Parts: sequence; C-alpha cells; structure tokens
Amino acid sequence: EAQVTQNPRYLITVTGKKLTVTCSQNMNHEYMSWYRQDPGLGLRQIYYSMNVEVTDKGDVPEGYKVSRKEKRNFPLILESPSPNQTSLYFCASSLGGTGPNQPQHFGDGTRLSIL
Amino acid sequence: AQSVTQLGSHVSVSEGALVLLRCNYSSSVPPYLFWYVQYPNQGLQLLLKYTSAATLVKGINGFEAEFKKSETSFHLTKPSAHMSDAAEYFCAVSESDSWGKLQFGAGTQVVVTP
Repeated sequence: EAQVTQNPRYLITVTGKKLTVTCSQNMNHEYMSWYRQDPGLGLRQIYYSMNVEVTDKGDVPEGYKVSRKEKRNFPLILESPSPNQTSLYFCASSLGGTGPNQPQHFGDGTRLSIL
Repeated sequence: AQSVTQLGSHVSVSEGALVLLRCNYSSSVPPYLFWYVQYPNQGLQLLLKYTSAATLVKGINGFEAEFKKSETSFHLTKPSAHMSDAAEYFCAVSESDSWGKLQFGAGTQVVVTP
C-alpha cells in the first residue's frame, strides 16, 4: 500500500531535549516536505526537499533541521525544542514538486507537545 | 510570492443545502490552485486542482471549484451537503515557477446539521 509513515504519532517532551520525527514514503517520490498545523494558521511549510541531498527552507524553518540522505526518508530534527514548537506536524511527498500533476500524499500527522 | 486567504474559519450548513467555501489568492505568476480536505485525526486529501486547462474544475465527492482570474478567487462549492462532508477544508497555491513551495490558507471548518 502506498503510504507516508510518520513516527512517533504523539510525543510529549521537555524544552531543550533533542528530538527527531521520522518520515518515510514507499512510493519512490523525489519530493518531500514538512508542515506544521496550528489553529487559525492552517499549514505552514517548514522545509522541503526536491531530491536526495537537496533541501530548501519553507516559510517557517527557524528551530528545525532536516536531512535527505536517501530518497525514502526525510527526518525532521528539533535540536533544542521550545514550547512554541508545540504543534501538529505533517510530512508529505509527491513524484516531483508541487505542480498540478504532483498530488501531495500526506502522512497521518505527529502531535508534539513541548513543556 | 504567493498567499491564500480563506474567508470564514467556520461554516455551518444544513444537510442538503449548498456548501460554499471562499478562497482568494495572490500570486505574481499564473498560479496552480488546490483544495484539500482534512477529516478528524487524518492527513490531508486532495479534493481538486486548477491547472489552467479549464476554469471550472470538478473534484471528488461532488465538489467543484471555479477559477476567476479577475477576482483572484477559487471558491469551492457543492450543491447538496451530506453529513460526511463535515471536515476542515484548505485552499492552497503553488506558483508555476517555484516547484517546491506550497502555501495553504488558514482553513474552513464545515459543520453539517441534520
């Protein structure tokens, strides 16, 4: 089954404790992206990757890191999490980019709470 | 740079009534526009997309949207609401010369009453 898998689905942690949210897709997609969803703000793009070793900033990259060492995985790293990073996070992938013939496939989300 | 504005964070409709969700965009180049739906505790699913081939776009579950360049709008409609349409809906825009960035509106929560 074609899918985007995020782990963990839920995490409660404390300020300053490094964490990684993993994202994996099994569709051989070149493009992957991370978003955060906050009430009243919709989804905001954090980082995206057009291919292996190619990443770029979205609209809200501060406090986050990503890496794309292999095509299927695109982890999101919070090196020193802060309470304002408490949010619902989504990973998405597509064949290539965000054009009209590149439907985005979304994971089920990761709810992060940082105390 | 592109941006998206959705008018109305919450919409309540009666079952069988028209659903109308408003989306306005700004873009410096011809945009690609999308509507996504999010059901509770799930990720987003694509409802429909505008690709410049036709201004009236039909999507899944009976939804359609009309692109109006003069009004910079891409409103979503469904003639007759069903209880299963209760969800959050997001309009999104991607600029044709920037294949990595996708910008979402703030979302509209739809409640369907019997």
